[in-house]
Amino acid sequence: QQPVQSPQAVILREGEDAVINCSSSKALYSVHWYRQKHGEAPVFLMILLKGGEQKGHEKISASFNEKKQQSSLYLTASQLSYSGTYFCGTDRGSNYKLTFGKGTLLTVNP
Amino acid sequence: GAGVSQSPRYKVAKRGQDVALRCDPISGHVSLFWYQQALGQGPEFLTYFQNEAQLDKSGLPSDRFFAERPEGSVSTLKIQRTQQEDSAVYLCASNWRGGEKLFFGSGTQLSVL
Repeated sequence: QQPVQSPQAVILREGEDAVINCSSSKALYSVHWYRQKHGEAPVFLMILLKGGEQKGHEKISASFNEKKQQSSLYLTASQLSYSGTYFCGTDRGSNYKLTFGKGTLLTVNP
Repeated sequence: GAGVSQSPRYKVAKRGQDVALRCDPISGHVSLFWYQQALGQGPEFLTYFQNEAQLDKSGLPSDRFFAERPEGSVSTLKIQRTQQEDSAVYLCASNWRGGEKLFFGSGTQLSVL
């Protein structure tokens, strides 16, 4: 079952913060986050395993609430290069098959 | 190569034609995946290989879709008798082990007229 992402789109000015949410109605083993720029390949950001851990990657971090089956991606002090569509992909235990959400389009303006 | 390579980058087919899409994964990657991405949507799982073995083909939409990886490296996704609903970007991805981060190619954009 496809995870639900929110918001569908967000527009920021450079330096502002954003949160992108991903929720599932089914129990999850892991949540993966990717960013895709128009016409390009999706690029890996991070993986979160069940256990509620929070991970960081430069100014981008994420959390996974196992009880709520929700993950959030936090982008702080956004840069122009952060623009793109963010996808969460969920794994329900196969350890290989990801089900992706519809994506969140993030636009960062100067 | 440095990354996952897919060819052709664009493919236009007339309805009913057969097409073959190629994926050259990162050298040494055991796992290979095909995903289909419709316009404005997230990638949707099609099939998964571990070396030459196709372990999961549950996402293939119909028996017109066929994938192979005969020597455990290059993979081909074949679509027979293409239909308009097959129009999408077909993404290939690879990694060392299934549950790890995926390295995606730039995809093949298929347009069926």
